[in-house]
Formats: sequence, C-alpha cells, structure tokens
Amino acid sequence: DAKTTQPPSMDCAEGRAANLPCNHSTISGNEYVYWYRQIHSQGPQYIIHGLKNNETNEMASLIITEDRKSSTLILPHATLRDTAVYYCIVRVEGLTFGTGTRLTIIP
Amino acid sequence: KAGVTQTPRYLIKTRGQQVTLSCSPISGHRSVSWYQQTPGQGLQFLFEYFSETQRNKGNFPGRFSGRQFSNSRSEMNVSTLELGDSALYLCASSLGLAGGGNEQFFGPGTRLTVL
Repeated sequence: DAKTTQPPSMDCAEGRAANLPCNHSTISGNEYVYWYRQIHSQGPQYIIHGLKNNETNEMASLIITEDRKSSTLILPHATLRDTAVYYCIVRVEGLTFGTGTRLTIIP
Repeated sequence: KAGVTQTPRYLIKTRGQQVTLSCSPISGHRSVSWYQQTPGQGLQFLFEYFSETQRNKGNFPGRFSGRQFSNSRSEMNVSTLELGDSALYLCASSLGLAGGGNEQFFGPGTRLTVL
C-alpha cells in the first residue's frame, strides 16, 4: 500500500481557502487518491477522489501533481463547520487511514 | 435515500464475552467494510465483504470475524473480548469494492466498551 504523509495540524481563517497537502510518493498507477474527513466522534465523510486528473465537486477541489506523488485538497471558502480531521488515503483494495490533518477554522 | 445504519450504537461487555455488531448498507450498495477506531491506533481496516464473500482483510486476529447476507446486510463478531477491543466500530458501504474508484459512506458507528 502506498503510504501518505500529512501535516498533523493546520489553521485557516474563516472565509479563506484551506489548502491541505498530502504526499504519497510511493503511489502506484492504479491507486486512487481519496479524501475523507471526520468531525468529532462521527463516522468519516467522503469528500472527493481522483486518479490522475484534477477533480472538483460541491465540497472541494482535488489537485494531483503530474507525477501523482502528491496532492492538495482545497476547501474554497472554509467555514467553522469545516473544522475536522482530514484524511488522505491511497489504496486499491480497502482503505487505510493514516493520522490525518486536524484542520481548525479560526473565526 | 437512507444512510448506513449500525446497531447497537453503544455496547458494554466484559472480558471474555463475545459480541455481534450489525450494519445495514445504503440500498443498492453491495460492499460493506468494517473499521476499528481507537485513540491510539486511529482508523484501522478490519475487512470488506462484497456479494457475501470476504474480499479483503486487515491485520486483525481471528477473534474478529464477519459475514454478509444476501441483502448485503453485514455483521461482525468479536469473540473472547479483551480490554483493548474497546473502540468505535465503523461500517461503511459502497456500490462496488472500496478503493477501486468507489466512494464509501460511513455509518455512525458502534461504541464498544469492554470492562
């Protein structure tokens, strides 16, 4: 399995874009990049996923570098409700969660 | 569409007992995965079932087992409970196998406390 490296914590001002980085230098060609988040004691919530191309949905954008060794999740206009632990996951079979990034949105 | 449901939501057991947890996936979803979440180890993958067959398995002892029924509902069982089994057990469902481009939807979890 490809392993991921994320900063343990980040702060972002409310209304600004939150950019969460993830390194996955050992990713293989058929592994997807997934992002989930978990708000205190709730089940993880799917955000977005991609294979090679950048992706955007109503929640976020996912930017994957051309060599696929890193990616960035962008929350365009962060709100207080976006405070959560964000997990970047790469795996083909099943999902292995790392320790994630604890994102705190500052009013 | 109803989300993933898990029962019971809370459970207290004593060491040596066994426990069965239940998960009902989103209608139409055929894959069910189970995860264990503890403060020390984070979210760890237990196993995944698809069409009543275990397709993937994490690194857990044989005391942890599961099954999936023809309606895609799944149960997981933990025998001979240990104190370290105290955790939040999460179930997730997806249309196809997780990881293969399919998004997983998680239930609220069952919080198991072993005394």
